Amino acid sequence: KNEVEQSPQNLTAQEGEFITINCSYSVGISALHWLQQHPGGGIVSLFMLSSGKKKHGRLIATINIQEKHSSLHITASHPRDSAVYICAAENYGGSQGNLIFGKGTKLSVKP
Amino acid sequence: KAGVTQTPRYLIKTRGQQVTLSCSPISGHRSVSWYQQTPGQGLQFLFEYFSETQRNKGNFPGRFSGRQFSNSRSEMNVSTLELGDSALYLCASKPLGTLTDTQYFGPGTRLTVL
Repeated sequence: KNEVEQSPQNLTAQEGEFITINCSYSVGISALHWLQQHPGGGIVSLFMLSSGKKKHGRLIATINIQEKHSSLHITASHPRDSAVYICAAENYGGSQGNLIFGKGTKLSVKP
Repeated sequence: KAGVTQTPRYLIKTRGQQVTLSCSPISGHRSVSWYQQTPGQGLQFLFEYFSETQRNKGNFPGRFSGRQFSNSRSEMNVSTLELGDSALYLCASKPLGTLTDTQYFGPGTRLTVL
């Protein structure tokens, strides 16, 4: 079992829909990251959070430390949101290094 | 401020050769981390350098090595290339290298091993 699990693997939505991507982790963490990767490979860091909730524009990230679970929400989705969304657990000093990544959720938003 | 740059962007090598990839962090950033991304394994952490010292290392064989220079630029080297080393190699930099700094990723170097 992977230490960081994401669901769903693939997600297709219509423009305007509310989207939720989930991330569960089994390791102790110092922070949880959400990343966005567009076709071509470039990665952008969206959020880094260790508790509570953060909001940036139409994106909201939440984390529940007790349940070891985080969610990324996209409100009023748009085709330009189509990308792969990756969560990563920051487990500094652990055997796998400082970031352990989920496999990603491929989001496609149709106009 | 210029972003993280990586050179070269694309590289084709044959099995048994060695390769060196370069990463220039954002000016003022002292921490550089390297990651490998493959379709099968996804993103995996390779190593992190801070102030010219390797601070953390992932589960990769000794064929993968790196270094950081006094200007924070970093290189990673892969010796005796194998087909499975074909991947996108990403570097990321952080300002001070603390646990709470956001990482800024470069565009990656796509390595193909034939």
